[in-house]
Amino acid sequence: LAKTTQPISMDSYEGQEVNITCSHNNIATNDYITWYQQFPSQGPRFIIQGYKTKVTNEVASLFIPADRKSSTLSLPRVSLSDTAVYYCLVGDVYSGAGSYQLTFGKGTKLSVIP
Amino acid sequence: DTGVSQDPRHKITKRGQNVTFRCDPISEHNRLYWYRQTLGQGPEFLTYFQNEAQLEKSRLLSDRFSAERPKGSFSTLEIQRTEQGDSAMYLCASSWIGQAGANVLTFGAGSRLTVL
Repeated sequence: LAKTTQPISMDSYEGQEVNITCSHNNIATNDYITWYQQFPSQGPRFIIQGYKTKVTNEVASLFIPADRKSSTLSLPRVSLSDTAVYYCLVGDVYSGAGSYQLTFGKGTKLSVIP
Repeated sequence: DTGVSQDPRHKITKRGQNVTFRCDPISEHNRLYWYRQTLGQGPEFLTYFQNEAQLEKSRLLSDRFSAERPKGSFSTLEIQRTEQGDSAMYLCASSWIGQAGANVLTFGAGSRLTVL
């Protein structure tokens, strides 16, 4: 299982763009990169998933360089409600046989300041 | 569909008692996961089912823990002879794994266990 490394915490002012980078040096060929968001006393919530280059949805963008050894979650114009813990996960999402575990690290605690 | 439901949301018990948590996944999902989360840590994988088969168990899942998913629908996680170290949030998630789908987990709100 590919191990991930993220900053423990980040602070940002409201309205700014926030970029959270995740390192995953031993990512495997079949691994996808998935980001989840978690608010206190709630379960994690899927944000975005990608394999390479750039993925964008209504919530965020995910940038993945060609070597795929890192990825960056970009949150445009954050608001106070974006204060949460963000987790980067790497795994073989299409695995239909054998074991498949999603391993969460400690995540990045984002604090948005008014 | 109302998402993944977990019951109870909170449970306070005395050390040595048994507790059981229930998870109702999204109906069309064929995979169900159990995680445990303590304060300040990310969720830790415990076990997962594909349909009714329990395919993987973490070494965190001691012999006091047992999980079932009869008929491939809801799941239960039982902890016997609870210890104070079992105090945590127990999270259930479900997903669809198939040829055309990416394995995105949908989590429930969790069941918080406090062992006195």
